[in-house]
Amino acid sequence: QVQLVESGGGVVQPGRSLRLSCAASGFTFSSYAMHWVRQAPGKGPEWVAVISYDGSKKYYADSVRGRFTISRDNSKDTLYLQMNSLRAEDTTVYYCARDPGDLLYYFDYWGQGTLVTVSS
Amino acid sequence: DIQMTQSPSTLSASVGARVTITCRASQSISSWLAWYQQKPGKAPKLLIYGASSLENGVPSRFSGSGSGTEFTLTISSLQPDDSASYYCQQYDRSPRTFGQGTKVEIK
Repeated sequence: QVQLVESGGGVVQPGRSLRLSCAASGFTFSSYAMHWVRQAPGKGPEWVAVISYDGSKKYYADSVRGRFTISRDNSKDTLYLQMNSLRAEDTTVYYCARDPGDLLYYFDYWGQGTLVTVSS
Repeated sequence: DIQMTQSPSTLSASVGARVTITCRASQSISSWLAWYQQKPGKAPKLLIYGASSLENGVPSRFSGSGSGTEFTLTISSLQPDDSASYYCQQYDRSPRTFGQGTKVEIK
């Protein structure tokens, strides 16, 4: 069955960096676009970034463009999110999610999430 | 950005009741709408895509309808396991946005 397992969250000071990982299994990872989506407590989710199946296309939300970088290693079935210049408002749970097709931009499988806390 | 507005924010209904949640888009999104169910401490789960297509494995008591700017998610006979928050999401244009959620409680 499809499994997505995020890791790398934690507590980090404002202005510092963090890299999230998402290990995929149970499907052909290299055939699917992948997303990062975040969600603050009690709020609706917020889409963060997407990468095409082969890594050739990457798109970002305005709130993270220039600070966050999405990437993937299809040989390792792993998705990444490099987060630089972190701000207090980046504090939330981050999910990786699978796109059911080629950049359809909805999400048919989600990981369990990893919490990022930006605080001094 | 396209704003997605859900109503009500919270609803309480008895087991077996028919429940309807509404989602309105600030501009037309054709049928590019998905619905998700989220239980506390868990990731969202896809229920409906394309406004009315049921995701594999989702019980048939869930249905979606609508197009343009107004959409509904209906649970035909509410079950205890349906206690959760529900979110709509438009995927017509960037940035893809979610509604603020509807919490469904069992009386």
